[in-house]
Amino acid sequence: EVRLVQSGAEVKKPGESLKISCQASGYTFPSYWIAWVRQMPGEGLEWVGTIYPRDSDAKYNPALEGHVSLSVDQSINTAYLHWRSLKASDSAMYFCARPSLPGVVNVFETWGQGTMVTVSS
Amino acid sequence: QLTQSPSFLSASVGERVTITCRASQGISNKFAWYQQKPGKAPKLLIYDVFQLQSGVPSRFSGSGSATEFTLTISSLQPEDFATYYCQQLHLYPLTFGGGTKVETK
Repeated sequence: EVRLVQSGAEVKKPGESLKISCQASGYTFPSYWIAWVRQMPGEGLEWVGTIYPRDSDAKYNPALEGHVSLSVDQSINTAYLHWRSLKASDSAMYFCARPSLPGVVNVFETWGQGTMVTVSS
Repeated sequence: QLTQSPSFLSASVGERVTITCRASQGISNKFAWYQQKPGKAPKLLIYDVFQLQSGVPSRFSGSGSATEFTLTISSLQPEDFATYYCQQLHLYPLTFGGGTKVETK
């Protein structure tokens, strides 16, 4: 069974750093892109970025590029989303998702359960 | 950019429901629909415009091309009250529509 299990909820202060994780199981981790999707409270879905674990090639939403970064650790089948300096506007639920086919960025077939990030002074 | 309409829709069980998504430029068949219930991750319903994801009831269907795409629920069921999102994967940045919340009338 393909599964994506995300790290738990986080409460941080503005300016702090944060890394949240998405651990994959049930498939060949390096072969499938991993996407991150943001959902602010009461709002819609927004694509954050996508990373290919095999070579760490990453693509970002221009609206967020430079503020977030993506990485992977192939040894533990885990993808990460990180911030060096959080802002209050980063408060949102973050989902990781895996496409239906290997090697291509296509529809998000499998989703993690979400990680709630709250940034407040 | 994807413009989804309506933003809210009130309907009764058994009704036919149609949601539309318009793209600001022509896009390929890399187009999908998702369903999201409160507190849950989105669920893939339709991919490649009209392909039904495995396990999704046949009352859901997708159609369209180029700049206009449609999700239809032929006979709304109680478990279908949720928010629906369209998505294009034709070009970066990947984008979602603003969502359509389907509520009970």
